[in-house]
Amino acid sequence: EAGVAQSPRYKIIEKRQSVAFWCNPISGHATLYWYQQILGQGPKLLIQFQNNGVVDDSQLPKDRFSAERLKGVDSTLKIQPAKLEDSAVYLCASSSRWGSMYNEQFFGPGTRLTVL
Amino acid sequence: GESVGLHLPTLSVQEGDNSIINCAYSNSASDYFIWYKQESGKGPQFIIDIRSNMDKRQGQRVTVLLNKTVKHLSLQIAATQPGDSAVYFCAENTRGESSYKLIFGSGTRLLVRP
Repeated sequence: EAGVAQSPRYKIIEKRQSVAFWCNPISGHATLYWYQQILGQGPKLLIQFQNNGVVDDSQLPKDRFSAERLKGVDSTLKIQPAKLEDSAVYLCASSSRWGSMYNEQFFGPGTRLTVL
Repeated sequence: GESVGLHLPTLSVQEGDNSIINCAYSNSASDYFIWYKQESGKGPQFIIDIRSNMDKRQGQRVTVLLNKTVKHLSLQIAATQPGDSAVYFCAENTRGESSYKLIFGSGTRLLVRP
């Protein structure tokens, strides 16, 4: 089966500009996650969707970050305006189940964002 | 190639030797743990998992050990191969307000010398 798709793979912007990332999860996966991975650290969850509803966005900096999954399939993550500290890899993951502890997440290749 | 992390702890092993990667977790209430492998330019890939009612679980060339008393996990890779070179993360699946979520550790870079 096809994996999680993300685009673009790389993006370079200047601070205060806007940027958007796109994710297409594995077909049939109802749960979608966005993570931020700063260089040298493990991924940190930003937001979790179950179908088109937000389950957890407690670590999303809502003053500048937004995400949507309008039709319950693909999703976009936006940063507006970007700051230098937003430089990171943004990973999308999906899973077939929700509410279960034993829930394998499948990760996409990520988008590497550099803010100058 | 693209670097996943520049300041990660690094374990360097000779090809064919066994590798042991360690991880401390934070939440004593966590019941499920996963090891991920992340190669340069790729997302994390599931390797093996273990539930809290187990002390040990074996896969193909990999073994995970869990010590709940000291909140410690280890990943053992037998007969390490060049393709095992990557950054390894442990993750604990913890209960949030309305769902479970993964909390990742800081990672260890494994370098395999030919």
